[in-house]
Amino acid sequence: QKEVEQNSGPLSVPEGAIASLNCTYSDRGSQSFFWYRQYSGKSPELIMSIYSNGDKEDGRFTAQLNKASQYVSLLIRDSQPSDSATYLCAAPGGNTDKLIFGTGTRLQVFP
Amino acid sequence: EPEVTQTPSHQVTQMGQEVILRCVPISNHLYFYWYRQILGQKVEFLVSFYNNEISEKSEIFDDQFSVERPDGSNFTLKIRSTKLEDSAMYFCASSVRDGGESGGYTFGSGTRLTVV
Repeated sequence: QKEVEQNSGPLSVPEGAIASLNCTYSDRGSQSFFWYRQYSGKSPELIMSIYSNGDKEDGRFTAQLNKASQYVSLLIRDSQPSDSATYLCAAPGGNTDKLIFGTGTRLQVFP
Repeated sequence: EPEVTQTPSHQVTQMGQEVILRCVPISNHLYFYWYRQILGQKVEFLVSFYNNEISEKSEIFDDQFSVERPDGSNFTLKIRSTKLEDSAMYFCASSVRDGGESGGYTFGSGTRLTVV
């Protein structure tokens, strides 16, 4: 059973700080990883994808992937109260076209 | 920006009744999915659909569930005899290519199903 694990939080950070969200996965063969943001009662929204070891930056977001450690993270710089949401990590479910989601980490950014 | 449209936004049904959840994927997308999320729990895969047939289904997607693309635009999920434990948010998603590879799902806004 392929698993994606996240700390459920909540992670509380002050406005302007860096929020660091972490995710581990069990399938060593996974090649691609995704971060989705989900506001309460809303659908998931793709914010970052990463396929190679190292860092990938997009605006205030940086995804980091370490395949040897089976670890992927999301950094949010200059956190804003509007970033308060649940962040879902996802990876493909093996040789299929489905995604396996983690439970999500709830981020709270306080003014 | 193109959207995946789901109707209804909220459906209340009695246990044992049939429900049909409707989705209109983005027009040039080829891969279609249904996921569900029980309140406070993970987003769970139900089924994927490509080229007018199911490409994969999960253990959750038993004989009570079916999907259809009846007219080339709508994509429906039918639950034949609903159970209390079917209460969840159901999300439709679509992608241009294999979503597991590209991760480029676009999710609809969801249908909240409440079985009473």
